[in-house]
Amino acid sequence: RKEVEQDPGPFNVPEGATVAFNCTYSNSASQSFFWYRQDCRKEPKLLMSVYSSGNEDGRFTAQLNRASQYISLLIRDSKLSDSATYLCVVNNAGGTSYGKLTFGQGTILTVHP
Amino acid sequence: ETGVTQSPTHLIKTRGQQVTLRCSSQSGHNTVSWYQQALGQGPQFIFQYYREEENGRGNFPPRFSGLQFPNYSSELNVNALELDDSALYLCASSTGQGTYGYTFGSGTRLTVV
Repeated sequence: RKEVEQDPGPFNVPEGATVAFNCTYSNSASQSFFWYRQDCRKEPKLLMSVYSSGNEDGRFTAQLNRASQYISLLIRDSKLSDSATYLCVVNNAGGTSYGKLTFGQGTILTVHP
Repeated sequence: ETGVTQSPTHLIKTRGQQVTLRCSSQSGHNTVSWYQQALGQGPQFIFQYYREEENGRGNFPPRFSGLQFPNYSSELNVNALELDDSALYLCASSTGQGTYGYTFGSGTRLTVV
């Protein structure tokens, strides 16, 4: 089983749609959680951290369920510029002396007119 | 604020050669990690340096080695290059264990022929 698993995608949605991405992780000692966005042939960029209480940043809402080891990202009112690969990321610093990011394989989102 | 910079941006090497990739961390960041991203996959953790010492390593052979310098910049060295080493190599910096996320450089795209 992979340490971080994401919906395989790809997702192809019209502008204005709401889209949700799901992710599960296997290391219960994981400390921190993120969604990164990666545009084609570019580096990953931090979209948002994910907290147990849930957090929102504009059109983006992230949720974490530690009991189920489940992370989600909801994008409302999709824009063409949201087209990218979305990476679920876990920092496995728990139980070790260092932080190590473990990435899911990524889910490709294409928003069309 | 200066972000993470990597050099070179692209590189072509032949099988069996050695390569050195360089990274300057973001100002104020003392932890540097290196990741390998193959096409269509999420980045894979290679190793991490904190205060000039390697303090974590992923599942990569010893021919992958690194250094961190007093100014927190870093090098990734790969000996005896193999075709499968062709990938995007990403450097990421953070403070401490990266609880608040890592900042990635734009990467070095290595092609081994």
